[in-house]
Amino acid sequence: QSALTQPASVSGSPGQSITISCTETNSGVGDYNYVSWYQQHPGKAPKLIIYDVSNRPSGVSNRFSGSKSGNTASLTISGLQADDEADYYCNSYTSNSYTRGTTSFGTGTKVTVL
Amino acid sequence: QVQLAQSGSELKKPGASVKVSCKASGYTFTTYGISWVRQAPGQGLEWMGWINTNTGNPTYAQGFTGRFVFSLDTSVSTAYLQISSLKAEDTAVYYCARVECSTSSCYPHYWGQGTLVTVSS
Repeated sequence: QSALTQPASVSGSPGQSITISCTETNSGVGDYNYVSWYQQHPGKAPKLIIYDVSNRPSGVSNRFSGSKSGNTASLTISGLQADDEADYYCNSYTSNSYTRGTTSFGTGTKVTVL
Repeated sequence: QVQLAQSGSELKKPGASVKVSCKASGYTFTTYGISWVRQAPGQGLEWMGWINTNTGNPTYAQGFTGRFVFSLDTSVSTAYLQISSLKAEDTAVYYCARVECSTSSCYPHYWGQGTLVTVSS
């Protein structure tokens, strides 16, 4: 099962852009093909904001964008707003993740809007 | 619209069992799998596994075998999580989520509101 490491915290001022990384650290395999991202406000359920590395579900702001290079995926939030202050989690997927039960979430990143 | 409605908070003693329900509405239940995710107080998300609602076949993540059981009642579009021999460290919010699969990957999309299970003597 892969381990996904995220920075514990990232901060930015309103209007700025920030990027959250998600690095796969399981023996350097780097074979997780796809990642999704979730936003979680305190006391609320997570909300899907990116799937398949860079796709946004209907209704999610285009200020959220995703990318992946090697074993690191990234979530960028542009035009930072107060409501973006939340926890963010990545989630890995490989072709046999669900068959083997090996998908996992990242360690989570707390975003603070200064 | 897609909704996953979970059962209410539970307070249990160590050693007891608990069964959390997740009732789906707004779509055909057997079309999408259901994942279960745990979040301990102040901690991150842990993927516990998922259940194929078409076949009833459950898959458990490492660390969630033995005391954790996923089940279904398709007649009422409901998934269940049962935890036996509860321990204090099982205290957490438990979420169900609908698993969607694109042509590329699968991911939890719609989430229930969460069920707080507190284990305390």
